[in-house]
Amino acid sequence: QSVLTQPPSASGTPGQRVTISCSGSSSNIGSNTVNWYQQLPGTAPKLLIYSSNQRPSGVPDRFSGSKSGTSASLAISGLQSEDEADYYCAAWDDSLNGFWVFGGGTKLTVL
Amino acid sequence: EVQVVESGGGLVQPGRSLRLSCAASGFTFDDYAMHWVRQGPGKGLEWVSGISWNSGSIGYADSVKGRFTISRDNAKNSLYLQMNSLRAEDTALYYCAKHITQYSSGFRNGMDVWGQGTTVTVSS
Repeated sequence: QSVLTQPPSASGTPGQRVTISCSGSSSNIGSNTVNWYQQLPGTAPKLLIYSSNQRPSGVPDRFSGSKSGTSASLAISGLQSEDEADYYCAAWDDSLNGFWVFGGGTKLTVL
Repeated sequence: EVQVVESGGGLVQPGRSLRLSCAASGFTFDDYAMHWVRQGPGKGLEWVSGISWNSGSIGYADSVKGRFTISRDNAKNSLYLQMNSLRAEDTALYYCAKHITQYSSGFRNGMDVWGQGTTVTVSS
């Protein structure tokens, strides 16, 4: 069971806006920023959002992130077929000596 | 192009050892912390270990602490993961990943560039 909780699946139609939630605790999301990764089928994860709401260069502004308290969310607007992928949230956890924790992943289906 | 390429995976019996390597290019390797992250078959991502740019700070997941050792050779632009006492539950695709920020003594910012991974299968 993952430390961060994500819905296992999400879906939307082309052009629609979808959001994916990520719930944690005071030791991770509550005290640190959140990263989001996109993993297309058969490929390595790609950084989508860092520091909760920052996009690396090259990531379309259709992707946005936010954080409030011990939860975070990823929003995808203008959904496209190529957005069909697994999405993972991640945060540093201050427990013990500290370690990275990930959500279990959300499989996004574009209908 | 910023790139990391893993190697060294394979089939190994329980209790045996394996050493993974990661070759970095396209960036100043010794400016950045590095990570190992694994993904079990059909499973999610699990952080395994991280090492700061100067090897002064090292961290491990509880699941591998005492069995795995991370190291780096900045002169060779290479990252390593020595895996001992391997178990069936260590079976996974192991990714090498570059830290987002330069000169970070800790690991809070996370990973940006990931390799394609190398597969480790622990089975008798």
